[in-house]
Amino acid sequence: QVQLQESGPGLVKPSETLSLMCAVSGSAISSAFYWGWIRQPPGKGLEWIGSIYHSGSTYYNPSLESRITVSLDMSKNQFSLRLSSVTAADTAVYYCARQVGDGAQFDYWGQGALVTVSS
Amino acid sequence: DIQMTQSPSTLSASVGDRVTITCRASQSISSWLAWYQQQPGKAPKLLIYQASSLQSGVPSRFSGSGSGTEFTLTISSLQPDDFATYYCQQYNTYSTFGGGTKVEIK
Repeated sequence: QVQLQESGPGLVKPSETLSLMCAVSGSAISSAFYWGWIRQPPGKGLEWIGSIYHSGSTYYNPSLESRITVSLDMSKNQFSLRLSSVTAADTAVYYCARQVGDGAQFDYWGQGALVTVSS
Repeated sequence: DIQMTQSPSTLSASVGDRVTITCRASQSISSWLAWYQQQPGKAPKLLIYQASSLQSGVPSRFSGSGSGTEFTLTISSLQPDDFATYYCQQYNTYSTFGGGTKVEIK
């Protein structure tokens, strides 16, 4: 059974960097899947942030690309998100998810982690 | 950027009703479309991928159709667990979600 679990600070100050980890069990991140991040501001819709392949190749939402880094940690079977220069507009529930193939659908999701940007 | 527009934004229905939700893409996405169901406070759940393929474990009352720029999600007989918000996702170019359709109790 594939499970994903997000972790990280729930509160980040404006202009600082948001960092989240996603621990994966039941599926090796070295296998042929993409691993992605999606966010959802309170009461709003879903926004794809970026994804990474097991090879380490990444692709990012063009609207966020200048601020995003997604990386893998094969030794811990987890992947991470870093979003720099955050503002209140980055307040959201952040989900990590497994993506079936190149830029495809997300079949397994984490439960989500609320990150609030506030001083 | 490919924009995804869902309609309606809210839909009131009763148990047993046939429900249809529409998703339109700003340009052709072939069949690269998925549908998700999200219950309050929960992560989205994949229902349909590649426009019409049913994800394993999803009840057969859910079906998807369409190609190009217009797509539909149909629930043939609405059940109590189906009152939720539904999102479409295009994955032809990067990934974009629709704004969502809330299915509420009439």
